[in-house]
This record gives sequence, structure tokens and C-alpha cells, in this order.
Amino acid sequence: EAEVAQSPRYKITEKSQAVAFWCDPISGHATLYWYRQILGQGPELLVQFQDESVVDDSQLPKDRFSAERLKGVDSTLKIQPAELGDSAMYLCASSLAKTAHGYTFGSGTRLTVV
Amino acid sequence: SQKIEQNSEALNIQEGKTATLTCNYTNYSPAYLQWYRQDPGRGPVFLLLIRENEKEKRKERLKVTFDTTLKQSLFHITASQPADSATYLCALDPSNYQLIWGAGTKLIIKP
Repeated sequence: EAEVAQSPRYKITEKSQAVAFWCDPISGHATLYWYRQILGQGPELLVQFQDESVVDDSQLPKDRFSAERLKGVDSTLKIQPAELGDSAMYLCASSLAKTAHGYTFGSGTRLTVV
Repeated sequence: SQKIEQNSEALNIQEGKTATLTCNYTNYSPAYLQWYRQDPGRGPVFLLLIRENEKEKRKERLKVTFDTTLKQSLFHITASQPADSATYLCALDPSNYQLIWGAGTKLIIKP
């Protein structure tokens, strides 16, 4: 069964350092999402791509976060500089269409900022 | 404000019984509602989607109902097993917008 690949699985970084996460969606999925999830809460959308274009980044803290999907396939999410409050699970998901098939999530990157 | 609520308390169910989880929402007119399962340290896994014009949807031991008048969805697992223990998330899909997520309910099935 096709999967969404994410790396790294775990990341520990010092505050003020830069950190990057990578996501490879299911082949053919045009829509890609980056979510942040704090323990005990639901996922919070950071950015949504349709192919290589950003559809929604209204919740992305643009002073420190950036995201790109240059060729409309894989994607990178970057944080610079990292802050203690950024510690969370970062999830990537992809979908064929917005509704009928649900989203397929990767296993996520657990970020700890120390 | 727009809100989606799931039971924050963990639900403890005896193996073999039916587990029922609740998802309530306000100030939405969702076109779709989705249910996901999430295991600790993993991403959510899509289970079922139900449309606003559907009252009920089934998949094996899972059943979802959707009452747009009550603004509520119920998620049932029949003949529950310890392997069903996980956090279950509901998410609303107001058409042409992003998914709005609940915080999830932790389900514990005791042998």
C-alpha cells in the first residue's frame, strides 16, 4: 500500500538553530498538507499546496517558517530560528481530491527544541 | 466561533462491547465529516467519510452516523478488541475549505 514518506522521524535541535523536514507524498496526489500537532490536540494546518502552488498558508508563522514544493512532488518545511514552543509532531499528508478519499498521513517528525 | 468537540476523557470499554464516540460541532454546515484513528507517535489513519446527505455509513465493525440537525456524529466500533485501543479524531470538511479537526478521544479496550 502506498505511503507518505517523512524524514527525519525524530529531531532534537537547540533553540535558534535551523531545522528542516521532508515529505514525499503518494504518487499522483496533487494536494499536500503540512500539519503541526501538539500532544492531546488535533492537527493544526500550517500550509496546503495544490501541485507547486500554496493554497493556504494563513496559519504559517511566516517570520520563522517556510515551505516549498518546487516541482509539485516532494516538499520541505523549514523553521529558522527554532523556538522552544515549536516542539511538536509535524505531519505531512496528501490527498487525491479534497473529500472523497480522506487524507493519507505520514508517520510524522517529532521535533524537540531544547 | 466555530467549534468541534470530542470527549476529552478517555473511554474505557470491555472487550466485546460496542464503543461509541461522539463528535459535536457548532456554527458549521459541513459537507462531509471524516473519522481517523491515531496511534501514539504515528500519523492519523483515515477510516470513514460520511456526506451530509447520508445518515449512516458502515465498514466492517465500524459505523458512523451523521445528524446535521443535532450537529453530531457518532462513531461505533462493535465487538471491540484491545487492538482497537487508540485515539479517534473527527474532522469536518466545510466544502471548499480546510479540514477542521477535533482534539480526539482516547479509547481503551480492556481484555
